[in-house]
Amino acid sequence: QVQLQESGPGLVKPSETLSLTCTVSGGSISNYYWSWIRQPAGKKLEWIGRIYTTGTTNYNPSLRSRVSMSLDTSKNQISLKVQSMTAADTAVYYCVRGPFPPAMSFESWGQGILVTVSS
Amino acid sequence: QSALTQPASVSGSPGQSITISCTGTNSDVGTYILVSWYQQHSGQAPKLLIYEGNKRPSGVSDRFSGSKSGNTASLTISGLQAEDEADYYCCSYAGSSTWVFGGGTKLTVL
Repeated sequence: QVQLQESGPGLVKPSETLSLTCTVSGGSISNYYWSWIRQPAGKKLEWIGRIYTTGTTNYNPSLRSRVSMSLDTSKNQISLKVQSMTAADTAVYYCVRGPFPPAMSFESWGQGILVTVSS
Repeated sequence: QSALTQPASVSGSPGQSITISCTGTNSDVGTYILVSWYQQHSGQAPKLLIYEGNKRPSGVSDRFSGSKSGNTASLTISGLQAEDEADYYCCSYAGSSTWVFGGGTKLTVL
């Protein structure tokens, strides 16, 4: 069974860039879509974007100008960068497998990493 | 791209059935069958319950079922159990390779 583990800084200063990594074990990242989803404390889930193993990306229109995703198949890792972080970006960030045809659902989730934006 | 609308909370007694609604628009729920539902227990990551509107992944109890009518999708939980107490989120494909979630519903088992 595939396992996803997010890693990165738990604290980021306002205006800085957040960099997170998701390490996948128990399976290859090849031939799948991988997403990042975030959840502010007590609030709803928000899809950030997804990346395919070819490097093709799709982003949430509301975040597109600040977000980029990449992957390293040799390390079985997916990465997320969010520029110009503000307090509104404070959230638990999840790495997720999916969505891909035909189900187009988010089928496997990492445990999440809490990122706090504060000076 | 607006969030899907879910009731903030629902409740039911053990053994009863409850239904959680998820209302979208003609740009998402109304056009696509690609609605999924997720269960999130406190402090845990979400878990996929339903995909493509009414299909269950292997291992998910058949007490959970999904349906859709027009712009509204629904999740029904039958035979409520204490372990069902959690937050539930719907999600829909919204076109142009984007996805939108609902605001979440807190289920309390009385």
